[in-house]
Amino acid sequence: EPEVTQTPSHQVTQMGQEVILRCVPISNHLYFYWYRQILGQKVEFLVSFYNNEISEKSEIFDDQFSVERPDGSNFTLKIRSTKLEDSAMYFCASRDIIRSTEAFFGQGTRLTVV
Amino acid sequence: AQSVTQPDIHITVSEGASLELRCNYSYGATPYLFWYVQSPGQGLQLLLKYFSGDTLVQGIKGFEAEFKRSQSSFNLRKPSVHWSDAAEYFCAVGARGTGANNLFFGTGTRLTVIP
Repeated sequence: EPEVTQTPSHQVTQMGQEVILRCVPISNHLYFYWYRQILGQKVEFLVSFYNNEISEKSEIFDDQFSVERPDGSNFTLKIRSTKLEDSAMYFCASRDIIRSTEAFFGQGTRLTVV
Repeated sequence: AQSVTQPDIHITVSEGASLELRCNYSYGATPYLFWYVQSPGQGLQLLLKYFSGDTLVQGIKGFEAEFKRSQSSFNLRKPSVHWSDAAEYFCAVGARGTGANNLFFGTGTRLTVIP
């Protein structure tokens, strides 16, 4: 069964460093998303991406964040200068634009900023 | 603005007992509704979804949920809980009519199953 894959599963980075989280969405899906879940809190929408541009973004997704689909298969989330409060589980999701509104989630990348 | 409320942070049930997890939403129209489950260290797995039609929807692992428009609720139920159902359960709302259909999640309900 096709699935969304995310790498790495766990990333530790120093405060102020740039980090790139990677995702490979399901191949025929056209909508891509990033969500995050701070430990013990709810899953929060960050950004959606369609047709090579941001479709919507939340207030969390400030100038420190960016997304890219560099090569037609990967979908990346970059945090330019990490802060302690960026520590969270980051989930990538993708959706088949035609078939349904169901989003399929990856296993997540746990980001720890120290 | 969309919002989802899961009033129960933590529920403990005995194996074999019935289960109901509550979810209330706030949305201007009828939204898309979802229940996801997250096992420890795992990602989010879709249990079931409601788009339209029959308000009682069946999902995987023996779960079902009922959409009640008058109560703005979408409660998740299972008649007999198994130990493997212990996990975190998230109710989510998806906005109709927006291309992206971004999801808005509740804070989750942690389910503990005791023998």
